[in-house]
This record gives sequence, structure tokens and C-alpha cells, in this order.
Amino acid sequence: QSVLTQPPSVSAAPGQKVTISCSGSSSNIGKRYVSWYQQLPGTAPKLLIYENNKRPSGIPDRFSGSKSGTSATLGITGLQTGDAADYYCGTWDNFLSAWVFGGGTRLTVL
Amino acid sequence: EVQLVESGGDLVQPGGSLRLSCAASGITFSDLSMYWVRQTPGKGLEWVASINPDGSMEYYVDSVKGRFTLSRDNAIKSLYLQMNSLRAEDTAIYYCARSRSDALDIWGQGTVVTVSS
Repeated sequence: QSVLTQPPSVSAAPGQKVTISCSGSSSNIGKRYVSWYQQLPGTAPKLLIYENNKRPSGIPDRFSGSKSGTSATLGITGLQTGDAADYYCGTWDNFLSAWVFGGGTRLTVL
Repeated sequence: EVQLVESGGDLVQPGGSLRLSCAASGITFSDLSMYWVRQTPGKGLEWVASINPDGSMEYYVDSVKGRFTLSRDNAIKSLYLQMNSLRAEDTAIYYCARSRSDALDIWGQGTVVTVSS
């Protein structure tokens, strides 16, 4: 049982938009920045979004992040087959003094 | 080239020990916290431990407290994870990662730890 809750899977067609939610609590998302990670099959995770809504250099603007209260959302527009991956949210939990990840969401691009 | 390179993963018997290393190159290291994250095949990411920039504070997931010890040598840009009393449930790919702006911005390629008799 992960501290942060994500849907196990989402799917959409190429060119469409998808959102992935991440629900936490006042001790983590409610007080800390949220980051998002993409993990392509057989590879290490890669940072997609940091500080809730900022993109590292090289990450296309098709990827966006937002946060409201104790929840965060990753949005991906103009879906491509190469976006098929597992996506994780993460943040620090002040009460646990621990980094916490969501359980991960598998994106299928139909 | 900006990279983190893990090493030290191996097959070890239950109750045994391993020391993982993570070497940084091309990146700022001494000013930032470092993390270990693990992943069991087919499962999600699990934070294992983290250490602050000067090595004075360490944090561990409950399941490894008392068994794993994290340390760093800023002079040679290296991170270490000493793992003792290993259990089957410690079997995983272990990634080191750098923390910057409250996110894990650079990850290594991972090293595989298998605990089995």
C-alpha cells in the first residue's frame, strides 16, 4: 500500500490527451513539491516534472504537472507510442521523514 | 558526461552482506542529498535511504533500519550502501539518484541484488 495513490493504468489513443492523478496527504503533497518520473521498459526512471510543474531541460512541453491541495496531476498531450511507460509521482513526507512514491501508473497508447 | 554508475550488486545468500557503490561524474555531488531507490522486477519504486550533503544525516525505510548503512565520500564523489543481514525481500534493482530541487533529477542505470540460497 503506497502512501501516494495513483491509478494502476490509463490508456488513450495516439494524439489524445491523458491525465494521471496522485493523491496524498497534508504531510506530503500538501506541504512539499511533487515530482513525476517516467520509466520506459527495461530502463531507469527519468525525471519528467519537478517542483509540481517545472520541466527539466529536454522534456517536451507535451508533459505538464499541477498540484492542488493534497493531490497532483501529470498531463500528457499529443500522445505518442513512445510515451507508453510507467509513471510515478514522488515527494518527501514530513511526518514519516521518508521519500514516498506512488504505486505507479502504466500508460498504454492504443 | 553527466552520470551516476552503480556497482556491487551480486547474488548473496540470506543473512549475507553486500556493499553497493555509486560513482558520480560530470555532476555537482557534494552540495546535494543522495538517494538509493530499489525496484523488484514487475513492481514499483521503493525509496530505501537518503543522506544529506555532508553525510551527517541519514534516513532509511523501516524495513532496512538497523541492517543497511548509507555513507558518502564527497572527495571522490561516491555514495555507498552497506547492506547486512540480507533477506529474500531485499532482492531488487538498486538505483542511486541525486536530489535537487526536491526531486530525484539524475539516476544511475541500477545494480542487481539477488538474495537467494
